Amino acid sequence: DAGVIQSPRHEVTEMGQEVTLRCKPISGHNSLFWYRQTMMRGLELLIYFNNNVPIDDSGMPEDRFSAKMPNASFSTLKIQPSEPRDSAVYFCASSILSGANVLTFGAGSRLTVL
Amino acid sequence: EDQVTQSPEALRLQEGESSSLNCSYTVSGLRGLFWYRQDPGKGPEFLFTLYSAGEEKEKERLKATLTKKESFLHITAPKPEDSATYLCAVQLPNTGNQFYFGTGTSLTVIP
Repeated sequence: DAGVIQSPRHEVTEMGQEVTLRCKPISGHNSLFWYRQTMMRGLELLIYFNNNVPIDDSGMPEDRFSAKMPNASFSTLKIQPSEPRDSAVYFCASSILSGANVLTFGAGSRLTVL
Repeated sequence: EDQVTQSPEALRLQEGESSSLNCSYTVSGLRGLFWYRQDPGKGPEFLFTLYSAGEEKEKERLKATLTKKESFLHITAPKPEDSATYLCAVQLPNTGNQFYFGTGTSLTVIP
Protein backbone atom coordinates (compact mmCIF):
# COMPACT_ATOMS: atom_id res chain seq x y z
CA ASP A 1 0.00 0.00 0.00
CA ALA A 2 1.25 3.51 -0.79
CA GLY A 3 0.19 4.80 2.61
CA VAL A 4 -1.86 7.91 3.22
CA ILE A 5 -1.49 10.26 0.26
CA GLN A 6 -1.87 14.01 0.65
CA SER A 7 -1.80 16.76 -1.91
CA PRO A 8 -0.50 19.31 -2.46
CA ARG A 9 2.70 18.94 -0.43
CA HIS A 10 3.24 22.68 -0.46
CA GLU A 11 0.81 25.51 -1.05
CA VAL A 12 1.54 29.21 -1.04
CA THR A 13 -1.44 31.49 -1.45
CA GLU A 14 -2.56 34.99 -0.71
CA MET A 15 -4.91 36.02 2.02
CA GLY A 16 -8.52 35.69 0.98
CA GLN A 17 -7.97 32.87 -1.48
CA GLU A 18 -9.62 29.47 -1.22
CA VAL A 19 -7.41 26.52 -0.31
CA THR A 20 -8.31 22.87 -0.80
CA LEU A 21 -6.23 20.09 0.70
CA ARG A 22 -6.77 16.50 -0.37
CA CYS A 23 -6.29 13.13 1.27
CA LYS A 24 -6.50 9.52 0.17
CA PRO A 25 -6.52 7.17 3.19
CA ILE A 26 -5.17 3.65 3.29
CA SER A 27 -7.50 1.19 1.61
CA GLY A 28 -9.55 -0.63 4.25
CA HIS A 29 -9.15 2.07 6.90
CA ASN A 30 -12.49 3.42 8.04
CA SER A 31 -11.45 6.34 10.25
CA LEU A 32 -9.92 9.51 8.85
CA PHE A 33 -8.49 12.44 10.76
CA TRP A 34 -7.39 15.96 9.85
CA TYR A 35 -4.74 17.52 12.11
CA ARG A 36 -2.99 20.88 12.03
CA GLN A 37 0.56 21.23 13.35
CA THR A 38 2.25 24.47 14.42
CA MET A 39 5.30 25.13 16.55
CA MET A 40 3.22 26.87 19.20
CA ARG A 41 0.30 24.44 19.53
CA GLY A 42 1.67 21.14 18.25
CA LEU A 43 -0.76 18.69 16.65
CA GLU A 44 -4.38 19.79 16.92
CA LEU A 45 -7.27 17.59 15.85
CA LEU A 46 -9.54 19.48 13.49
CA ILE A 47 -12.12 16.85 12.55
CA TYR A 48 -12.46 13.13 12.19
CA PHE A 49 -14.70 10.78 10.26
CA ASN A 50 -15.81 7.22 10.97
CA ASN A 51 -17.14 5.34 7.94
CA ASN A 52 -17.24 8.61 5.97
CA VAL A 53 -19.43 10.31 8.60
CA PRO A 54 -18.09 13.35 10.50
CA ILE A 55 -18.01 12.47 14.20
CA ASP A 56 -16.41 15.45 15.88
CA ASP A 57 -15.63 18.78 14.22
CA SER A 58 -15.20 20.75 17.44
CA GLY A 59 -11.57 21.40 16.56
CA MET A 60 -12.39 23.24 13.35
CA PRO A 61 -11.30 26.81 14.09
CA GLU A 62 -14.24 28.61 12.55
CA ASP A 63 -16.71 28.61 9.71
CA ARG A 64 -13.95 29.29 7.21
CA PHE A 65 -12.92 25.66 7.57
CA SER A 66 -14.93 22.79 6.13
CA ALA A 67 -14.19 19.12 5.50
CA LYS A 68 -15.88 16.46 3.45
CA MET A 69 -15.50 12.76 2.89
CA PRO A 70 -17.67 11.82 -0.09
CA ASN A 71 -16.41 8.23 -0.15
CA ALA A 72 -14.08 5.87 1.67
CA SER A 73 -11.07 6.77 -0.45
CA PHE A 74 -11.12 10.57 -0.52
CA SER A 75 -11.40 13.54 1.79
CA THR A 76 -10.93 17.29 1.43
CA LEU A 77 -10.22 20.10 3.86
CA LYS A 78 -11.19 23.50 2.55
CA ILE A 79 -10.32 26.94 3.90
CA GLN A 80 -12.28 29.86 2.48
CA PRO A 81 -11.20 32.62 2.80
CA SER A 82 -7.68 31.85 3.96
CA GLU A 83 -5.81 34.04 6.47
CA PRO A 84 -2.12 34.29 7.41
CA ARG A 85 -2.83 32.62 10.78
CA ASP A 86 -3.91 29.49 8.91
CA SER A 87 -0.29 28.92 7.90
CA ALA A 88 0.67 25.49 9.25
CA VAL A 89 1.28 21.90 8.23
CA TYR A 90 -1.95 19.99 7.77
CA PHE A 91 -1.84 16.24 8.26
CA CYS A 92 -4.32 13.61 7.27
CA ALA A 93 -4.25 10.28 9.10
CA SER A 94 -6.27 7.11 8.83
CA SER A 95 -6.86 4.07 11.00
CA ILE A 96 -9.07 1.05 11.46
CA LEU A 97 -11.95 1.90 13.76
CA SER A 98 -11.59 -1.21 15.88
CA GLY A 99 -8.46 -2.93 17.05
CA ALA A 100 -5.20 -1.18 17.87
CA ASN A 101 -6.40 2.20 16.58
CA VAL A 102 -2.93 3.05 15.28
CA LEU A 103 -2.90 6.22 13.21
CA THR A 104 -1.03 6.21 9.91
CA PHE A 105 -0.16 9.74 8.85
CA GLY A 106 0.40 11.23 5.45
CA ALA A 107 3.43 13.38 4.70
CA GLY A 108 1.46 16.56 5.29
CA SER A 109 0.55 19.67 3.32
CA ARG A 110 2.53 22.79 4.24
CA LEU A 111 0.32 25.85 3.79
CA THR A 112 1.66 29.37 3.70
CA VAL A 113 -0.84 32.22 3.49
CA LEU A 114 0.74 35.57 2.64
CA GLU B 1 -9.39 19.77 31.53
CA ASP B 2 -7.71 16.80 29.87
CA GLN B 3 -4.08 17.51 29.15
CA VAL B 4 -0.98 15.83 27.76
CA THR B 5 2.41 17.34 28.65
CA GLN B 6 5.79 16.26 27.33
CA SER B 7 9.18 17.12 28.79
CA PRO B 8 11.74 18.23 28.08
CA GLU B 9 10.85 20.27 25.00
CA ALA B 10 14.30 19.64 23.58
CA LEU B 11 17.11 17.27 24.48
CA ARG B 12 20.66 17.05 23.17
CA LEU B 13 22.59 13.86 23.86
CA GLN B 14 25.99 12.60 22.96
CA GLU B 15 25.98 9.37 21.02
CA GLY B 16 25.76 6.55 23.56
CA GLU B 17 24.39 8.76 26.35
CA SER B 18 21.16 7.17 27.58
CA SER B 19 18.20 9.25 28.74
CA SER B 20 14.43 9.32 29.13
CA LEU B 21 11.60 11.40 27.72
CA ASN B 22 8.48 12.02 29.77
CA CYS B 23 4.80 12.18 28.86
CA SER B 24 2.41 13.05 31.67
CA TYR B 25 -1.33 13.11 31.30
CA THR B 26 -4.23 14.40 33.34
CA VAL B 27 -7.15 12.64 31.76
CA SER B 28 -10.21 10.91 33.06
CA GLY B 29 -9.41 7.33 32.25
CA LEU B 30 -7.11 6.05 29.55
CA ARG B 31 -7.92 3.79 26.65
CA GLY B 32 -4.38 3.75 25.31
CA LEU B 33 -1.15 5.76 25.23
CA PHE B 34 0.75 5.98 21.95
CA TRP B 35 4.30 7.02 21.08
CA TYR B 36 5.16 8.36 17.64
CA ARG B 37 8.39 9.50 16.01
CA GLN B 38 8.39 12.44 13.61
CA ASP B 39 11.27 13.26 11.28
CA PRO B 40 11.54 16.75 9.74
CA GLY B 41 9.19 17.21 6.79
CA LYS B 42 7.35 13.96 7.46
CA GLY B 43 4.26 12.79 9.27
CA PRO B 44 4.46 11.06 12.65
CA GLU B 45 5.29 7.38 12.54
CA PHE B 46 3.89 4.90 15.07
CA LEU B 47 6.25 3.37 17.63
CA PHE B 48 4.31 1.85 20.55
CA THR B 49 0.93 1.47 22.20
CA LEU B 50 0.56 0.96 25.96
CA TYR B 51 -2.74 0.12 27.57
CA SER B 52 -2.25 -0.41 31.29
CA ALA B 53 0.01 0.67 34.13
CA GLY B 54 3.09 -1.51 34.39
CA GLU B 55 3.14 -2.35 30.72
CA GLU B 56 6.43 -2.06 28.80
CA LYS B 57 7.26 -2.25 25.08
CA GLU B 58 10.70 -2.35 23.45
CA LYS B 59 12.02 -1.73 19.97
CA GLU B 60 15.75 -1.61 19.31
CA ARG B 61 17.18 1.15 21.55
CA LEU B 62 13.74 2.38 22.68
CA LYS B 63 11.67 1.19 25.61
CA ALA B 64 8.32 2.67 26.59
CA THR B 65 6.81 2.30 30.04
CA LEU B 66 3.49 3.36 31.52
CA THR B 67 2.30 4.31 35.01
CA LYS B 68 -1.09 5.64 36.07
CA LYS B 69 -0.16 9.24 35.32
CA GLU B 70 2.81 9.20 32.97
CA SER B 71 4.80 7.36 30.39
CA PHE B 72 8.53 7.29 29.77
CA LEU B 73 10.38 6.66 26.56
CA HIS B 74 13.83 5.38 27.50
CA ILE B 75 16.56 5.67 24.90
CA THR B 76 19.56 3.42 25.52
CA ALA B 77 22.90 4.22 23.85
CA PRO B 78 21.31 6.48 21.23
CA LYS B 79 22.72 6.95 17.75
CA PRO B 80 22.50 10.04 15.51
CA GLU B 81 19.73 8.35 13.49
CA ASP B 82 17.54 8.46 16.61
CA SER B 83 17.38 12.24 16.24
CA ALA B 84 13.73 13.19 15.72
CA THR B 85 10.74 14.63 17.53
CA TYR B 86 8.97 12.12 19.75
CA LEU B 87 5.25 12.62 20.30
CA CYS B 88 2.94 10.93 22.74
CA ALA B 89 -0.82 10.75 22.37
CA VAL B 90 -3.61 9.52 24.61
CA GLN B 91 -6.88 7.98 23.61
CA LEU B 92 -9.74 8.37 26.04
CA PRO B 93 -12.56 5.91 26.58
CA ASN B 94 -15.95 6.73 25.12
CA THR B 95 -14.54 9.31 22.70
CA GLY B 96 -14.99 7.29 19.57
CA ASN B 97 -11.62 7.27 17.91
CA GLN B 98 -10.15 10.52 19.23
CA PHE B 99 -6.50 11.10 20.15
CA TYR B 100 -4.89 13.98 22.05
CA PHE B 101 -1.24 14.72 21.29
CA GLY B 102 1.46 16.34 23.39
CA THR B 103 3.71 18.99 21.82
CA GLY B 104 6.65 16.62 21.58
CA THR B 105 10.30 16.34 22.60
CA SER B 106 12.88 17.25 19.98
CA LEU B 107 15.84 14.88 20.38
CA THR B 108 19.25 15.57 18.88
CA VAL B 109 21.96 12.94 19.17
CA ILE B 110 25.44 14.29 18.50
CA PRO B 111 28.07 11.94 17.02
